[in-house]
Amino acid sequence: DTGVSQNPRHKITKRGQNVTFRCDPISEHNRLYWYRQTLGQGPEFLTYFQNEAQLEKSRLLSDRFSAERPKGSFSTLEIQRTEQGDSAMYLCASSVSGVTYEQYFGPGTRLTVT
Amino acid sequence: AQSVTQLGSHVSVSEGALVLLRCNYSSSVPPYLFWYVQYPNQGLQLLLKYTTGATLVKGINGFEAEFKKSETSFHLTKPSAHMSDAAEYFCAVSDRGNQGGKLIFGQGTELSVKP
Repeated sequence: DTGVSQNPRHKITKRGQNVTFRCDPISEHNRLYWYRQTLGQGPEFLTYFQNEAQLEKSRLLSDRFSAERPKGSFSTLEIQRTEQGDSAMYLCASSVSGVTYEQYFGPGTRLTVT
Repeated sequence: AQSVTQLGSHVSVSEGALVLLRCNYSSSVPPYLFWYVQYPNQGLQLLLKYTTGATLVKGINGFEAEFKKSETSFHLTKPSAHMSDAAEYFCAVSDRGNQGGKLIFGQGTELSVKP
């Protein structure tokens, strides 16, 4: 069991550019979550998938954000036309629905928008 | 909407002293309850959880927490602090009705341990 992995670990981009992050969950975990964490705050929920289906999206997820999990395995989170306010740590987590309830987190992708 | 309140954004204790980090939730139906720890520039690691059964739960690294329904609390304790316990601690809840689902986090408590 290799744990949740996220790539890249760090991303620096200029305002207005598009960025994409990848998350690989623990194998056999059918749920995958995305959170955003800003400095000094707890993580805030963005969206989650059960298998391929996106079951819930937060109001925080503006139309510049899109997430996919096309084959029910890895997921990507894309931010279009990045803004300085998008600078944050983006965390991915996975779980098995109805079995363990806890979520296992990856190391995160730190985004800096200049 | 559910919310989680962690009293005290910063807690400082001496090495060997009791650690007490407070967490209260607002929900008419007791949720699933979790404590996570985060070291600098890392993801979150699960310390312990309460889903059902015994209300005193033990976790990793000597931590434990007690679910008190009447007080809507889930405080985290450790009898004797170690320098390696210095980190950010987050209390989180999820909805029982959705077999878990999204986590709602508190704002976090930074624990400092003085030698």
